[in-house]
Amino acid sequence: KQEVTQIPAALSVPEGENLVLNCSFTDSAIYNLQWFRQDPGKGLTSLLLIQSSQREQTSGRLNASLDKSSGRSTLYIAASQPGDSATYLCAVESNQFYFGTGTSLTVIP
Amino acid sequence: DAGVIQSPRHEVTEMGQEVTLRCKPISGHDYLFWYRQTMMRGLELLIYFNNNVPIDDSGMPEDRFSAKMPNASFSTLKIQPSEPRDSAVYFCASSLKDWYTGANVLTFGAGSRLTVL
Repeated sequence: KQEVTQIPAALSVPEGENLVLNCSFTDSAIYNLQWFRQDPGKGLTSLLLIQSSQREQTSGRLNASLDKSSGRSTLYIAASQPGDSATYLCAVESNQFYFGTGTSLTVIP
Repeated sequence: DAGVIQSPRHEVTEMGQEVTLRCKPISGHDYLFWYRQTMMRGLELLIYFNNNVPIDDSGMPEDRFSAKMPNASFSTLKIQPSEPRDSAVYFCASSLKDWYTGANVLTFGAGSRLTVL
């Protein structure tokens, strides 16, 4: 069974810093990996999807990378803002979607 | 598209009562997923459907939980009888697989927050 781990569980950074969130998975046989954002009391919003044949995807200040062979993905956030404060979850799709437990990010003004 | 629509957004009920949660997926999506989220266990897959057919219900906690998808635009998750430990946020999500690229973007509803007293 696929297991997805996200480290750290929580992260606090001052505004303007660049930061990296990590996601690791145990089975490299995946179709794609997706990063989500969840605000308190809200649903999950898709940020980026990386297909298994891709190495990275970019959207604005966000850049996600994928290394299938090592079972790792990173989400890079440039020039962080207080509005980026949320929980970030990664999900890998193999026979179904497997989610990590998320990283709670706080950007301090 | 209005996205994935769930109702009710909040439900407070007493132990032993029947609870029905509803979901309208995005039109044209062929997969529908029910998840449960708690602080202790995070996001758990309960069941998913493909073209209205249940594919994997191994995540359904016990016989008190049941899910149906009578047509492509509607699904229900029912708990009968409800218990306090069922208190959680229940999410419905839908997706459409691009068979050419393999991409399968998952879109979530806003969730139904259930409190069982």
